[in-house]
Amino acid sequence: EDKVVQSPLSLVVHEGDTVTLNCSYEVTNFRSLLWYKQEKKAPTFLFMLTSSGIEKKSGRLSSILDKKELFSILNITATQTGDSAVYLCALSGTYKYIFGTGTRLKVLA
Amino acid sequence: DTEVTQTPKHLVMGMTNKKSLKCEQHMGHRAMYWYKQKAKKPPELMFVYSYEKLSINESVPSRFSPECPNSSLLNLHLHALQPEDSALYLCASSPIAGAITQYFGPGTRLLVL
Repeated sequence: EDKVVQSPLSLVVHEGDTVTLNCSYEVTNFRSLLWYKQEKKAPTFLFMLTSSGIEKKSGRLSSILDKKELFSILNITATQTGDSAVYLCALSGTYKYIFGTGTRLKVLA
Repeated sequence: DTEVTQTPKHLVMGMTNKKSLKCEQHMGHRAMYWYKQKAKKPPELMFVYSYEKLSINESVPSRFSPECPNSSLLNLHLHALQPEDSALYLCASSPIAGAITQYFGPGTRLLVL
């Protein structure tokens, strides 16, 4: 059975800290791994990763995929209170997405 | 226009009511999705429409009835729901089914009394 597991489930840090969120998976035949940020409503897209070992960066956020070890990480440096959200990873396969359990991040001022 | 819109934003209904959730996109996407999300859980796929045809039904109870009248619209008809059906219902679209990124709507928060 396809499975996507994220860790930690929740995390509390202070502004300025660096965090690393993990996403491990047991999914066959997926096209890409995606990271989303979800605040109060709909998930918003952060990154799409299709190739192993290539880091994607956007400002203070970066992500990388390891297809051999079957995981991805999302790094957030110099965290801000606005980074507080649930971070979801999802694997895109034929027709559908499989979402991970999510990591709830809270950044304290 | 890179937006998926959903109406209503909030809905309260009794177990004997019939209501509908609506989703619309004008990005020319040919795949549309319904997800259900309970509090503190990830979204769970319910239905996938590809080129206006139902492609996936993830064993959803028949009290949820999807409809795709055209390539821009996706409805979810609700009838005889249970309190445990209370959740955030998210609509999403993508250029084709399973492709690249899904664009999510803001969701409809449903409460069944």
